[in-house]
Amino acid sequence: AQTVTQSQPEMSVQEAETVTLSCTYDTSESDYYLFWYKQPPSRQMILVIRQEAYKQQNATENRFSVNFQKAAKSFSLKISDSQLGDAAMYFCATFGNEKLTFGTGTRLTIIP
Amino acid sequence: GAVVSQHPSWVICKSGTSVKIECRSLDFQATTMFWYRQFPKQSLMLMATSNEGSKATYEQGVEKDKFLINHASLTLSTLTVTSAHPEDSSFYICSARDRGGANNEQFFGPGTRLTVL
Repeated sequence: AQTVTQSQPEMSVQEAETVTLSCTYDTSESDYYLFWYKQPPSRQMILVIRQEAYKQQNATENRFSVNFQKAAKSFSLKISDSQLGDAAMYFCATFGNEKLTFGTGTRLTIIP
Repeated sequence: GAVVSQHPSWVICKSGTSVKIECRSLDFQATTMFWYRQFPKQSLMLMATSNEGSKATYEQGVEKDKFLINHASLTLSTLTVTSAHPEDSSFYICSARDRGGANNEQFFGPGTRLTVL
């Protein structure tokens, strides 16, 4: 079984600043993947970044990076130089046993 | 990149009728497709996993006779909500896994908003 917890229902950040979204998870799988997805008002799910659990190196994608702490089962997302287009719901997810399990999401607001 | 479409994007129907939602992978073959339901201001909940040519696997609590899933080809899966009722009103999202892809990435459709009157 897998569970994903996002303890921040809402976050806000000033444009151009940095924000970190928290995520903790639990899984019985030894081989799993972790994802952050973005869901803008259009409701289209967009992959932001992925991390293979067997890799120790934290994934980065341009302004997006993760802090993966496997022992602590923590997978936070850092957004640098926040832009207005980053405003959306952000979902943390684990993939294991052929299933994606999502957290409850964090609504990110960008303050101009 | 990989594109998944859904049709229709929104549908309104009367209580008791059946509604079919299509999910297509446009530029890749998908051996596995997934159906999710998302209620307002909530997360995505997996309803079922659909494998091409075989029966779908439903999550606990999802009625397989109510939510009929067919995955007859590598590019098409359908979800039929039978005898829909107002409580079935929700946002339904499909995703597809690229048969030739890596990292277990799923590509999501744009979703279908179902309103049952």
